[in-house]
Amino acid sequence: DAGITQSPRHKVTETGTPVTLRCHQTENHRYMYWYRQDPGHGLRLIHYSYGVKDTDKGEVSDGYSVSRSKTEDFLLTLESATSSQTSVYFCAIREVDEQFFGPGTRLTVL
Amino acid sequence: GENVEQHPSTLSVQEGDSAVIKCTYSDSASNYFPWYKQELGKGPQLIIDIRSNVGEKKDQRIAVTLNKTAKHFSLHITETQPEDSAVYFCAARGGADGLTFGKGTHLIIQP
Repeated sequence: DAGITQSPRHKVTETGTPVTLRCHQTENHRYMYWYRQDPGHGLRLIHYSYGVKDTDKGEVSDGYSVSRSKTEDFLLTLESATSSQTSVYFCAIREVDEQFFGPGTRLTVL
Repeated sequence: GENVEQHPSTLSVQEGDSAVIKCTYSDSASNYFPWYKQELGKGPQLIIDIRSNVGEKKDQRIAVTLNKTAKHFSLHITETQPEDSAVYFCAARGGADGLTFGKGTHLIIQP
């Protein structure tokens, strides 16, 4: 699993509440990514980071923000969760060209 | 941006037969093409990849081919086994940002 952990692994929340998902890596990788996976869409890039405090938007960034204050942690925040953000969220790191994924967080927004 | 199409969405083969999954991409600047296997409830697992300066790569029972002119690449699994049953994703990347994925192929190995 390339030393990647995600927390929480499951979360149920209500529409309008803020939610923060955490990705933690132990191997000092520079690049980190957040994807969401939905049936019929595969995986889609939300945001990525290329260093501490360096982040950029992906394909589906609306409604999400990220922060990276330490190399090992990459946080994904839903400021005001909506039902359309119900999904499985995967964090990934990049090692040279290869990307390795964490175990995922299943988020349900009621 | 990049667009990756993957076919078929479901593939059923007899155990021991070969399976082929095909992908096309749109951005000629893409230069890295990985394949992932995903089992139920788990994250995608990298199984093989190919770079644009190579036409074919093999690792035991799996192989990937790349045709840059036609902008398509394929995954070949030979002598399929029950543990090959999973969802397979192709992807492409051209720069420092993330991967663009196909929508996945559900591979079913029939005993």
